[in-house]
Amino acid sequence: ETGVTQTPRHLVMGMTNKKSLKCEQHLGHNAMYWYKQSAKKPLELMFVYSLEERVENNSVPSRFSPECPNSSHLFLHLHTLQPEDSALYLCASSQRDSGTDTQYFGPGTRLTVL
Amino acid sequence: GDSVTQMEGPVTLSEEAFLTINCTYTATGYPSLFWYVQYPGEGLQLLLKATKADDKGSNKGFEATYRKETTSFHLEKGSVQVSDSAVYFCALTDRGGNTGKLIFGQGTTLQVKP
Repeated sequence: ETGVTQTPRHLVMGMTNKKSLKCEQHLGHNAMYWYKQSAKKPLELMFVYSLEERVENNSVPSRFSPECPNSSHLFLHLHTLQPEDSALYLCASSQRDSGTDTQYFGPGTRLTVL
Repeated sequence: GDSVTQMEGPVTLSEEAFLTINCTYTATGYPSLFWYVQYPGEGLQLLLKATKADDKGSNKGFEATYRKETTSFHLEKGSVQVSDSAVYFCALTDRGGNTGKLIFGQGTTLQVKP
């Protein structure tokens, strides 16, 4: 498989559930990102991991918990979410210090919180 | 802080019409500039990029030129097709920044009618 993959593609969960989103990149990159895309709002950066170290947490509520066990995998653990957290969650990866930092995106996970 | 502004949509064109989607930016550093495209139900795909002033990015008939003097990166295509219907995002990343995060415009929806 090539590029950036995300699972699941669709997720419906109740406010008391715990679930995790998974992202895997097959590009040999050293940085990974989580973005949130809500209806009628600009894409929002949530977290950045560079060389497996979190380098940015963009004021995201603690009910979202990222994990980056190695440079190829990134998780977003979800706990006691709110209906307003329903959105498309996009993962991306890039090669830092490559000159352009071009980010490549996965297909996203469409999350619905009931 | 850095920001990107895109023209409001939706933009509705007939097939084979000329397309321009305006994008302007503000940045304190030396950004790389990008256009991403999002087809319905999918994630973001890199369309083209430019890393320095006067660079022209091109792909699939789309072009954009990095204009430092007008801080612009307008997207153009000479003859659009129905299959070009999608949401287009202009974005920048500050190569001198700590995280390489992307800052996106709000997106412009393009509808091409046969």
